[in-house]
Parts: sequence; C-alpha cells; structure tokens
Amino acid sequence: QKEVEQDPGPLSVPEGAIVSLNCTYSNSAFQYFMWYRQYSRKGPELLMYTYSSGNKEDGRFTAQVDKSSKYISLFIRDSQPSDSATYLCAMANYGGSQGNLIFGKGTKLSVKP
Amino acid sequence: GAVVSQHPSWVICKSGTSVKIECRSLDFQATTMFWYRQFPKQSLMLMATSNEGSKATYEQGVEKDKFLINHASLTLSTLTVTSAHPEDSSFYICSARVLIGMGGNTDTQYFGPGTRLTVL
Repeated sequence: QKEVEQDPGPLSVPEGAIVSLNCTYSNSAFQYFMWYRQYSRKGPELLMYTYSSGNKEDGRFTAQVDKSSKYISLFIRDSQPSDSATYLCAMANYGGSQGNLIFGKGTKLSVKP
Repeated sequence: GAVVSQHPSWVICKSGTSVKIECRSLDFQATTMFWYRQFPKQSLMLMATSNEGSKATYEQGVEKDKFLINHASLTLSTLTVTSAHPEDSSFYICSARVLIGMGGNTDTQYFGPGTRLTVL
C-alpha cells in the first residue's frame, strides 16, 4: 500500500459545481496536511494548510482532516473555469530536521463553463 | 505567502553540457530547500534535501555526482545538472521549507515556478 493514495481523475464538472477531492494515507504519524494547486507547466501553489485534525476554510476552499480515518478532503464551492488544474495533496511528519513531503499523484480537475 | 523564485524558467542545452538552476527565497530565509523532478502527467519526485551550510541529502537512485546541489546561503540553493543527456530533460522544481511559530505548528513548503530543461 502506498503511503498516500489519490484518485488521479480526470474529474470534469460544470461551472458552479461543488468539487470534492480526497486523499487517504497509511502513516498515522502524519501531522501536517497540505493541498497544492498546480497549473500546467507551473510550480505547485500552496492552497490550504492544516496542522493535525479539523477543518479549515479559506474563501471557496475548505480543507478537512480526519486522522481517525486517515482521510483528507478539499472542497471547492462555486467552482470556476480558473480552478481547472491538478490538485496535489501532501502530508508530512516533521520530526526533527527532516522536512520531506509525501505527495499524492494529483487529481486533474476540469471546470467547464 | 512566501515567495520562491527559480532561474532560468526554461533552458535548452546540448548533450554533454552542464546546466545550473538557481532557487531563491525572496522574502524569507530558508535553512532547508528541496529539489524535485516532475515528468509529464506525473507527480513530484523528491531528488534531494538541501540544508544551508552542509551537504545535500539525496534520495535513493539519484546520482549525487550528476546532480550537484549547493546551498551556500539562507536564500539560495543551486542545482547543477552535469554532463546533461536527453533523459535528463524534465521539469525541475525547488521548494523552501517555512517554519513559523513556537512548537513548529506551521511547517510547510513553498514552491518555485519550476525550470523546464530540454537536452538536445
């Protein structure tokens, strides 16, 4: 079993839809959870950051972490064509000086006008 | 948020030559930077961890003599692809680790825009 599993999609939705993106993981030591958005031929952009469990909301984006189920989600409300990108979940256990992120494979999202 | 830049954004070189890619943290100091490689439609593959003032730590399977990393200051890390070959053509992305607050409860990475290397 891979440490982080993410459905690669592609996921296609109409403009205005609610999008749900998910990742599961196997390492219960993960404490830091992130969602990155990556446009084609660009570096990943940090969208949401959560430490430990809980929900976090930022505008149209909501990140949820359920450590008991080892499951994280990103919700996008009122999706826009500009949201079309690949979304990568990432997580880490930053004990000591190590700062390695473990990434999911990314889900490609397409929002149709 | 923290800003990370990379230079160049795109480079084409002949086989056998060396290429240097710079990664800079523009508005913060980063003791730790990371270098990733990404093939088309693939996720990021960590190549090495670069710590300021010390030798880089390479991931298994990454040739340290081919991919030279130097982290000489708190705002600059460089990756040099030596004797590049067509199979080294890829998208190279750096990131910088950001630690905020007591207890390290904000500990994440900000990425540069990437460098597309094409070796002919």
